[in-house]
Amino acid sequence: QSALTQPASVSGSPGQSITISCTGTSSDVGGYNYVSWYQQHPGKAPKLMIYDVSNRPSGVSNRFSGSKSGNTASLTISGLQAEDEADYYCSSYTSSSTLPYVFGTGTKVTVL
Amino acid sequence: EVQLVESGGGLVQPGGSLRLSCAASGFTFSSYWMSWVRQAPGKGLEWVANIKQDGSEKYYVDSVKGRFTISRDNAKNSLYLQMNSLRAEDTAVYYCARDVQLWSAFDYWGQGTLVTVSS
Repeated sequence: QSALTQPASVSGSPGQSITISCTGTSSDVGGYNYVSWYQQHPGKAPKLMIYDVSNRPSGVSNRFSGSKSGNTASLTISGLQAEDEADYYCSSYTSSSTLPYVFGTGTKVTVL
Repeated sequence: EVQLVESGGGLVQPGGSLRLSCAASGFTFSSYWMSWVRQAPGKGLEWVANIKQDGSEKYYVDSVKGRFTISRDNAKNSLYLQMNSLRAEDTAVYYCARDVQLWSAFDYWGQGTLVTVSS
């Protein structure tokens, strides 16, 4: 079992929308609705942005939304703001007994 | 306010041991699964272990099985990670995190504690 695949970097201008993909298999992303997304600023702890594919925790901006199609999950950030510049990680439960929970490779979001 | 505060990190030689602690406050600690997640310098996140509310179930990533032990003391609102036979590849910031529910997501994280395994 290896990490979920994310693009290394995604960029956009303020006000634009961007989408980060997270590709797994039918044993993780495609098989369960336990996909979540985390935002991490440099030197800080991760922050939960989306859980169970598309649910937003209280306090998280509605500019962040999640979805899933087949083995690929997506995080969309609309109305991009300077403060959104950070690393983003997806994660999912897996059916593997050796690694029951896996994170993605991470995506650096740059606001141009 | 939910707070998770880790402690116990530091420099340790290969083969050595270390015990991490996580002090929880602001919520009913005994009602939640809890996890440890680590991040090697400049690398991504890796889930390490989790433990059920009453400590009766524990799960580990394969790479730490037999070397690390997760435990909790609900009376002290504390989570622990006993790490033995440490290797260079265990060098990372270790985060304590609260599970939304088993295998779902982690909704609160501590600030992390750095473990460096080096001679």
